[in-house]
Amino acid sequence: GENVEQHPSTLSVQEGDSAVIKCTYSDSASNYFPWYKQELGKGPQLIIDIRSNVGEKKDQRIAVTLNKTAKHFSLHITETQPEDSAVYFCAAPQGASGTYKYIFGTGTRLKVLA
Amino acid sequence: DAGVIQSPRHEVTEMGQEVTLRCKPISGHDYLFWYRQTMMRGLELLIYFNNNVPIDDSGMPEDRFSAKMPNASFSTLKIQPSEPRDSAVYFCASSPGGGKEKLFFGSGTQLSVL
Repeated sequence: GENVEQHPSTLSVQEGDSAVIKCTYSDSASNYFPWYKQELGKGPQLIIDIRSNVGEKKDQRIAVTLNKTAKHFSLHITETQPEDSAVYFCAAPQGASGTYKYIFGTGTRLKVLA
Repeated sequence: DAGVIQSPRHEVTEMGQEVTLRCKPISGHDYLFWYRQTMMRGLELLIYFNNNVPIDDSGMPEDRFSAKMPNASFSTLKIQPSEPRDSAVYFCASSPGGGKEKLFFGSGTQLSVL
């Protein structure tokens, strides 16, 4: 089955700097990779996702890159702001098309220091 | 739309008692998921439904756990009898077209079993 590893577990950056969170997956059939942001006391919220037919996707200050050969994908946040402070989770499906079971990474607690 | 609605937000109970968690998915969403979040195990998928039918319950930890979806707008997760190790945050999520699309999470139920 799928195994997802996420690093680092905690990350502190100065406001305005960039933050990068990396995830690796094991199932080469996986083809959809979402990133979720979880704020304190709330459920996870999708912030960006990428499908395996592209290598990079951007949405304002957030970007995700995917390297299918190496089986890893990364979340990039530029010009970080205090409101970016949260726990971020990557996920990968257990299997390819037709599966709805996601394996989540263990999370990265991001702290943006003002 | 009000989003996915879960109740109660907090539940404190004693070991051996029955616990029922409730979820109202977003109208029109065909898929409903129950997740459990703990520090040790992260986010785990317990069970998911498609059009009110349970599709995969392999994540349900024991027979003490059961889930139902009597109609498209309501689901329950029941634990009977509850044990201290069941203490966790339980999230309900819904999706319009299955897990390969965006998951919309509720705010969760914080369960404490004493």
